[in-house]
Amino acid sequence: AQSVTQLGSHVSVSEGALVLLRCNYSSSVPPYLFWYVQYPNQGLQLLLKYTSAATLVKGINGFEAEFKKSETSFHLTKPSAHMSDAAEYFCAVTLNYGGSQGNLIFGKGTKLSVKP
Amino acid sequence: EAGVAQSPRYKIIEKRQSVAFWCNPISGHATLYWYQQILGQGPKLLIQFQNNGVVDDSQLPKDRFSAERLKGVDSTLKIQPAKLEDSAVYLCASSFSGKYNEQFFGPGTRLTVL
Repeated sequence: AQSVTQLGSHVSVSEGALVLLRCNYSSSVPPYLFWYVQYPNQGLQLLLKYTSAATLVKGINGFEAEFKKSETSFHLTKPSAHMSDAAEYFCAVTLNYGGSQGNLIFGKGTKLSVKP
Repeated sequence: EAGVAQSPRYKIIEKRQSVAFWCNPISGHATLYWYQQILGQGPKLLIQFQNNGVVDDSQLPKDRFSAERLKGVDSTLKIQPAKLEDSAVYLCASSFSGKYNEQFFGPGTRLTVL
């Protein structure tokens, strides 16, 4: 069965510093991978997704993630943190059924704090 | 384009009472999902509909939870009777049923069971 592990439930960075949020997945077949962001009292918003095309995926708000099959990782990065990036980030995996609807399996989330 | 709508946004009830949540997905989205998000955890799928049929309800506690999507559009999720451990945010999401399963989430309903 597929699963997702997010290392670090809470990450704190200074404004302007590199953001690195870690995600490792477990899947017996090629997965689709997603990063979602959740602001307080709001639903989840898709940041980016990997769907077996380019391994380096660019998303909204300057975020990007790299799919590394050998490391079973899909870490999320942003070169320079902004105060507005403070939120909770969720990594999710679904199986690549080649067209059918696989369910999303979410990690436990990483709360990002940005210090001025 | 309007997003996924949910109501109410907040609900406080006593244990053993009943509660219902409503979701209106994005127009044209055939697939609808209900998730439970307990504080400090990621969302967990409760039930998935494709039009008005159930695709997956394997994690729905059927002794107390029920959900329906009668006309393949709006959906309601009901809890009867509620337990303390049902305190969570209930998220509704919808997708077009395209290849990449991109789901669009509503703002959620925060349920507190006292």
